[in-house]
Amino acid sequence: NAGVTQTPKFRILKIGQSMTLQCTQDMNHNYMYWYRQDPGMGLKLIYYSVGAGITDKGEVPNGYNVSRSTTEDFPLRLELAAPSQTSVYFCATTKTGGGGEKLFFGSGTQLSVL
Amino acid sequence: RKEVEQDPGPFNVPEGATVAFNCTYSNSASQSFFWYRQDCRKEPKLLMSVYSSGNEDGRFTAQLNRASQYISLLIRDSKLSDSATYLCVEIQGTNAGKSTFGDGTTLTVKP
Repeated sequence: NAGVTQTPKFRILKIGQSMTLQCTQDMNHNYMYWYRQDPGMGLKLIYYSVGAGITDKGEVPNGYNVSRSTTEDFPLRLELAAPSQTSVYFCATTKTGGGGEKLFFGSGTQLSVL
Repeated sequence: RKEVEQDPGPFNVPEGATVAFNCTYSNSASQSFFWYRQDCRKEPKLLMSVYSSGNEDGRFTAQLNRASQYISLLIRDSKLSDSATYLCVEIQGTNAGKSTFGDGTTLTVKP
């Protein structure tokens, strides 16, 4: 099993461009999450999903959109990229979302907006 | 005040040393706590959960002090491979993903 797969690993965008960060999982987990991590900081939740067709905002959703049409995929869309969105983005999953569960992370996407 | 605060370090210790990190949290309703390990430019990985009674996993011991609202991680007999950033994580509700991460404590173990 691949676990949680993120693509691309690296990307450079110009201000105002848009892109989609892909996240797919083969663990049949219901809950999926997008985090961003700025240098020297912890992770901040952007959006999350408790199942196909259901998404909700996290702590820092502005400038991003998500969709969850299948259990496996949870893409993150950046519209009108800004330098403030330069960060490392991590996708994660948990099976049921319980408070004691382990988060399974993808290997991350490093995004620079210039 | 941040919800979760950690001493950023860096902690530089020799191999074989014992080192301890603390993490304070501000919400007394926080329910679950964890330590994650993050290697440079890699994804975080769960190191251990933190139980109220304290718990040990090999050279690692985690403790929770609800009265003073902090958790701790003790690493004994440090190895070079322990060099990493250690993230304190707390969950106030029941959704694992709606976690609050500390900014991390960096540990460097030197020969």
